[in-house]
Amino acid sequence: DGGITQSPKYLFRKEGQNVTLSCEQNLNHDAMYWYRQDPGQGLRLIYYSQIVNDFQKGDIAEGYSVSREKKESFPLTVTSAQKNPTAFYLCASSFYRDSTGELFFGEGSRLTVL
Amino acid sequence: KNQVEQSPQSLIILEGKNCTLQCNYTVSPFSNLRWYKQDTGRGPVSLTIMTFSENTKSNGRYTATLDADTKQSSLHITASQLSDSASYICVVSGGTSYDKVIFGPGTSLSVIP
Repeated sequence: DGGITQSPKYLFRKEGQNVTLSCEQNLNHDAMYWYRQDPGQGLRLIYYSQIVNDFQKGDIAEGYSVSREKKESFPLTVTSAQKNPTAFYLCASSFYRDSTGELFFGEGSRLTVL
Repeated sequence: KNQVEQSPQSLIILEGKNCTLQCNYTVSPFSNLRWYKQDTGRGPVSLTIMTFSENTKSNGRYTATLDADTKQSSLHITASQLSDSASYICVVSGGTSYDKVIFGPGTSLSVIP
């Protein structure tokens, strides 16, 4: 079945370590996105990519990095520069590059910094 | 400032009862409004999408309304089921690209037997 796969579902990290969250989609979507979700707040956009080898910063890109070497993959690295990385991270994709297209979300990755 | 507010923050209802969730927004310009359902620990799933010219959109037991003049939307759930327990998120697009999309904080709904 087509969909978006995120891994790992749970991840624990020590302070000072970088971690990479995986996001793979087989929906043949051009656009992919990373969001951060914190309790009581709306999803916030970290990075997005509308085509391969191109990506744009969202509202809270500091301390994060991404790559888009393949259409199907959009990994997110949470670096040690991210001051408060404990959160639920959601990857999404859309067929259209504009907001008329539906966003399809993965199941999320919960990162906890010890 | 572009904002999306939702009320109530949380709601508990008995199985079989109806409920209405509210969404107020100040996003401008307006492109479209979506309601998403998010089960605990899962990704959100789209329920409805409405553009400026649409007042009502239904998806099974879910009915969304939009008043673009007052910048308000509601999501009505009829004959609630235990599986309706989730967070419901209102999402407003302020332009054509997804970097202009504003997510509300969600309403947490618990349906109890």
